[in-house]
Amino acid sequence: QKEVEQDPGPLSVPEGAIVSLNCTYSNSAFQYFMWYRQYSRKGPELLMYTYSSGNKEDGRFTAQVDKSSKYISLFIRDSQPSDSATYLCATNTGGFKTIFGAGTRLFVKA
Amino acid sequence: EAEVAQSPRYKITEKSQAVAFWCDPISGHATLYWYRQILGQGPELLVQFQDESVVDDSQLPKDRFSAERLKGVDSTLKIQPAELGDSAMYLCASSSTSGTGLSEQYFGPGTRLTVT
Repeated sequence: QKEVEQDPGPLSVPEGAIVSLNCTYSNSAFQYFMWYRQYSRKGPELLMYTYSSGNKEDGRFTAQVDKSSKYISLFIRDSQPSDSATYLCATNTGGFKTIFGAGTRLFVKA
Repeated sequence: EAEVAQSPRYKITEKSQAVAFWCDPISGHATLYWYRQILGQGPELLVQFQDESVVDDSQLPKDRFSAERLKGVDSTLKIQPAELGDSAMYLCASSSTSGTGLSEQYFGPGTRLTVT
């Protein structure tokens, strides 16, 4: 079993839709939970991170962590074609190693 | 805006040949990471440096892969001999600190390796 599981998609939505991206993880020691966005032929860039459980909002993006169920979510409101990318969830114990999910490919149609 | 530089961007090599990738991290970043990203998968850490010292190379296939960061600045990742299964994107990232807490990793554009 992988430490971080993520549905690879692809996920296709119309412009303006609310997008929900999800991951599960197995190690209860993970404390930091990140979402990276990766455009085609580019390296990942950090979108948001949360520490422990709870919600964090940044503009159209909301990250949510439920440590009791080991579930990580990213919500995108009013999705735009420019949001089309691969979204990677990632976790870290607060130490050296970051574990990435497989990434979900998102397509937002104009 | 400071960026992580990598070269080459694309590399095609034949099986059994040697190949090398170069990374120049953001100035002042002590921690440097090399990741391998196979198509359709997330990045997997190959090796992590703190300054010039290796702090994690547990996933580096040491029979064919080597990495160095001699002066604690730029770094080279080498594969010799290359195998078909090495075809992937090789990503370099850097961060200003490591250890306790979270330090944002900044990724370079990657080197796309194709082994034929």
